[in-house]
Amino acid sequence: AQTVTQSQPEMSVQEAETVTLSCTYDTSESNYYLFWYKQPPSRQMILVIRQEAYKQQNATENRFSVNFQKAAKSFSLKISDSQLGDTAMYFCAYRSGGANNLFFGTGTRLTVIP
Amino acid sequence: SQTIHQWPATLVQPVGSPLSLECTVEGTSNPNLYWYRQAAGRGLQLLFYSVGIGQISSEVPQNLSASRPQDRQFILSSKKLLLSDSGFYLCAWSEQGLARGYTFGSGTRLTVV
Repeated sequence: AQTVTQSQPEMSVQEAETVTLSCTYDTSESNYYLFWYKQPPSRQMILVIRQEAYKQQNATENRFSVNFQKAAKSFSLKISDSQLGDTAMYFCAYRSGGANNLFFGTGTRLTVIP
Repeated sequence: SQTIHQWPATLVQPVGSPLSLECTVEGTSNPNLYWYRQAAGRGLQLLFYSVGIGQISSEVPQNLSASRPQDRQFILSSKKLLLSDSGFYLCAWSEQGLARGYTFGSGTRLTVV
């Protein structure tokens, strides 16, 4: 069974600094997708970034980038130039290439300090 | 553009009462639909998903059920709520055959008293 582990329940970062959130996963499949979702206090789940396992190049979306290490089954999220609006829960998620389900980690609560 | 609507936003129900949460998607056809539950301080647990009208898959045995009477309508129900059913319920949709991630509704906070 697929599992997603986020070992950092809480993190904080100073505004304008860079922070990295960790995520590891366990799978025996070769075709899968990884995602980072953001859940601000409004509780709305927002897709931040996605990565296809077959792509070696790390995905980037503006200030958000990932470090995808397939052999190590690691998928960390880097937030550059942190902004107050980045304060939220961040969830890492895994989806098998042949399945419909998203499996989520338990989340990391990020606080950006002004 | 596609939008997803979920209601109500908050709900307080007594133990033993029935439940009906509704989710509708606009701007797409034949979506995959999902119900997730998020307990306080926890991650999201998949409850049900549907790949078509009348097709429901359950991920965990529980006091809840789901139905998909129309292509873009997904309903979460219970005949008798338990205290343990309290939580934050999220509906989501995704396109068939594409792994672009899910789009979530705004959620329903259910408190069973």
